[in-house]
Amino acid sequence: SQTIHQWPATLVQPVGSPLSLECTVEGTSNPNLYWYRQAAGRGLQLLFYSVGIGQISSEVPQNLSASRPQDRQFILSSKKLLLSDSGFYLCAIGASYNEQFFGPGTRLTVL
Amino acid sequence: QKEVEQNSGPLSVPEGAIASLNCTYSDRGSQSFFWYRQYSGKSPELIMSIYSNGDKEDGRFTAQLNKASQYVSLLIRDSQPSDSATYLCALSKGGYQKVTFGTGTKLQVIP
Repeated sequence: SQTIHQWPATLVQPVGSPLSLECTVEGTSNPNLYWYRQAAGRGLQLLFYSVGIGQISSEVPQNLSASRPQDRQFILSSKKLLLSDSGFYLCAIGASYNEQFFGPGTRLTVL
Repeated sequence: QKEVEQNSGPLSVPEGAIASLNCTYSDRGSQSFFWYRQYSGKSPELIMSIYSNGDKEDGRFTAQLNKASQYVSLLIRDSQPSDSATYLCALSKGGYQKVTFGTGTKLQVIP
């Protein structure tokens, strides 16, 4: 079965600092991977998705970027965090019939 | 018009009752429909998928899809306090299309 790991679990960062969130998956190869953000009281917003190594599609223009250096590794980054970047960041894996399964998430607070 | 609309709630039901959660959508091209359960502070968990008109039952959960009327619902029979969570409706157009999420309905099951 597939397992999704995300770290760190929680993070508190000052405005203007860099960010790196990591997602790794086990139990599958060549998965479709997704980064979502869930802001307080709001729905899930798709940020990036990847269908393979080095292939990244961006859904929302912003100060975030994503990379996929290995088949089962997906990284979300920022050079300078904004207050509005606070939220719950979720990595998801795509399965048959477009089902998506989520990792445990990273809660980011930007102060 | 939002792609996926849900009443934010909270929907309060007594323990043992049937909880009915509803969702409407705007894109008639949608083919795959999902219900996720999200406990406070946790990541969403897929509980039901439905792809054709009618009912699909899984234990105490029944998903209902009506493509002509563009709505999908989730019934929870014999509601338990452990069912108290936010339920997210989601859909996609099929294939490897992105999944769009509603903002969720908060369910409270009163003991």
